[in-house]
Amino acid sequence: AQSVAQPEDQVNVAEGNPLTVKCTYSVSGNPYLFWYVQYPNRGLQFLLKYITGDNLVKGSYGFEAEFNKSQTSFHLKKPSALVSDSALYFCAVRESFQKLVFGTGTRLLVSP
Amino acid sequence: NAGVTQTPKFRVLKTGQSMTLLCAQDMNHEYMYWYRQDPGMGLRLIHYSVGEGTTAKGEVPDGYNVSRLKKQNFLLGLESAAPSQTSVYFCASTQQGATEAFFGQGTRLTVV
Repeated sequence: AQSVAQPEDQVNVAEGNPLTVKCTYSVSGNPYLFWYVQYPNRGLQFLLKYITGDNLVKGSYGFEAEFNKSQTSFHLKKPSALVSDSALYFCAVRESFQKLVFGTGTRLLVSP
Repeated sequence: NAGVTQTPKFRVLKTGQSMTLLCAQDMNHEYMYWYRQDPGMGLRLIHYSVGEGTTAKGEVPDGYNVSRLKKQNFLLGLESAAPSQTSVYFCASTQQGATEAFFGQGTRLTVV
């Protein structure tokens, strides 16, 4: 079965500093990986995806993610954090019929 | 273009009562899904549908039923609500292929 793990419940970073939100995956075959963000009392919004090709994927709002096959990781990154980036972030892997298997989520807090 | 719309947004039920959550999408997507979100557990798939008239069980289907009589609508039913079904429910839809899923804003259900 496909799975992803988000080892950190919360990540704290100061505004202007780089941020990383970690995700590791366990899949059979080639992984289709996604990052979604959830703002308070809202649904999930798509940030970026890795299907194939370049290991560095660029997404919405200045976020990017690095796919690392040897480390089975797909970490989300941003060079300079904003207070408005504070939210709940989910890593997910796609299964058959495009079902998503989500990690447990990482809360990002960016302090002014 | 409304995307994915869920009704209601909030509901409080007494144990044993029944209710139906409605999900409507206007993007002509083939695939639709119901997830539940619980603290520390991420999102888990309840049921899904790959087309009008089809449904299938996900990871946590017990206590729920679904129907997809029309392509644009996906209904989630609770026949006899239990406190363990207190959760936030999200509907999502997507098209076949390497595309992201679109999520509704969620329904917060409390069973007392």
